[in-house]
Amino acid sequence: TQLLEQSPQFLSIQEGENLTVYCNSSSVFSSLQWYRQEPGEGPVLLVTVVTGGEVKKLKRLTFQFGDARKDSSLHITAAQPGDTGLYLCAGDPQSAGKSTFGDGTTLTVKP
Amino acid sequence: DAGVIQSPRHEVTEMGQEVTLRCKPISGHNSLFWYRQTMMRGLELLIYFNNNVPIDDSGMPEDRFSAKMPNASFSTLKIQPSEPRDSAVYFCASRQRLNTGELFFGEGSRLTVL
Repeated sequence: TQLLEQSPQFLSIQEGENLTVYCNSSSVFSSLQWYRQEPGEGPVLLVTVVTGGEVKKLKRLTFQFGDARKDSSLHITAAQPGDTGLYLCAGDPQSAGKSTFGDGTTLTVKP
Repeated sequence: DAGVIQSPRHEVTEMGQEVTLRCKPISGHNSLFWYRQTMMRGLELLIYFNNNVPIDDSGMPEDRFSAKMPNASFSTLKIQPSEPRDSAVYFCASRQRLNTGELFFGEGSRLTVL
């Protein structure tokens, strides 16, 4: 059983559309991280959410941490082809250093 | 500043051969992680070290896999003997502290076992 479930698995949209991807778990996390990975490269951190209910914005990306700290969402406004990539959420429920990743959402934004 | 450096970037080998992947973490980072990424299983944590000491190797799939960190600036992941199902991209990542902060990933080593 996957500790972090991400949905959807694949998403293909046109430039300018909005989208939301989700990261869900039955475990409570002290923090969750979102990474973005491009082909041929390693994942790169986008944001860390720490407080239940927290909302963080990074230009056109909005990240939310659930009140119960079991889930998170990433919303992209007016997606652009440069947003194409694999979006991964990660967390360590026991704060022991064991960062576990979800399976990711592969986003394709067509011009 | 140099990021996490992995070598080789690509390796093609035949079943039964020994494979050694190498990683140089970011200077000053105390924790080092080895992950494996495949389409089927996503990004799996294999083993991680803190201050050069292995903390948890429960993700290492079999005894054919071993990892070492002889000093703060170098780690190896060895597969002996290799099998076709070991084909994957292997990532090394480092972090300043064990249980907090950003993971910095290398560019990965793509392994193909024929």
